[in-house]
Amino acid sequence: DQQVKQNSPSLSVQEGRISILNCDYTNSMFDYFLWYKKYPAEGPTFLISISSIKDKNEDGRFTVFLNKSAKHLSLHIVPSQPGDSAVYFCAASDTLQGAQKLVFGQGTRLTINP
Amino acid sequence: EAGVVQSPRYKIIEKKQPVAFWCNPISGHNTLYWYRQNLGQGPELLIRYENEEAVDDSQLPKDRFSAERLKGVDSTLKIQPAELGDSAVYLCASSPINSWQETQYFGPGTRLLVL
Repeated sequence: DQQVKQNSPSLSVQEGRISILNCDYTNSMFDYFLWYKKYPAEGPTFLISISSIKDKNEDGRFTVFLNKSAKHLSLHIVPSQPGDSAVYFCAASDTLQGAQKLVFGQGTRLTINP
Repeated sequence: EAGVVQSPRYKIIEKKQPVAFWCNPISGHNTLYWYRQNLGQGPELLIRYENEEAVDDSQLPKDRFSAERLKGVDSTLKIQPAELGDSAVYLCASSPINSWQETQYFGPGTRLLVL
């Protein structure tokens, strides 16, 4: 039972263009969402998060959009840079549990082409 | 500030052998997590500690997996005996306090291959 799904295993984008990574979830109790970035041989690093009381959160080149009715969130990176090439994981949490119990998606490998 | 330290980084063992992984969280972080990441998948939580107490081990396969965090700092995760399906990356993460708002900081992981 995959509660968080990233249906695109990979994405290739030209440098300078916008990268859009998508994530769907099935558990309606999830109310806090995060994106993590992972380089090879390193652990995931936190990128950006959004609470379900918002529909958008922006941090520099990174923006996360949340559509609660569709149970869908997306990460926009603009402009994309070569250093953005990594695997991106979407994660969700039910904050009523009190602790950050994250459920991760399968990841999307983003490649930025010069 | 030093990050989460894990060792070893790589381990190759034969099935039925025991194996142990070690994690040193960021100094001052009370909450510690162990995750397993299978190939092509995202991390899956195995166990969460608040100081030395295991507060969520519902996803830890207790027949062969065990973990401890004796002094509320370092932690070890053990598998005995290992099976072929245990081949994965084992990630340790820590956060300052037990709160849904706190960021989890991950170590580089231990890549286990069971032959």
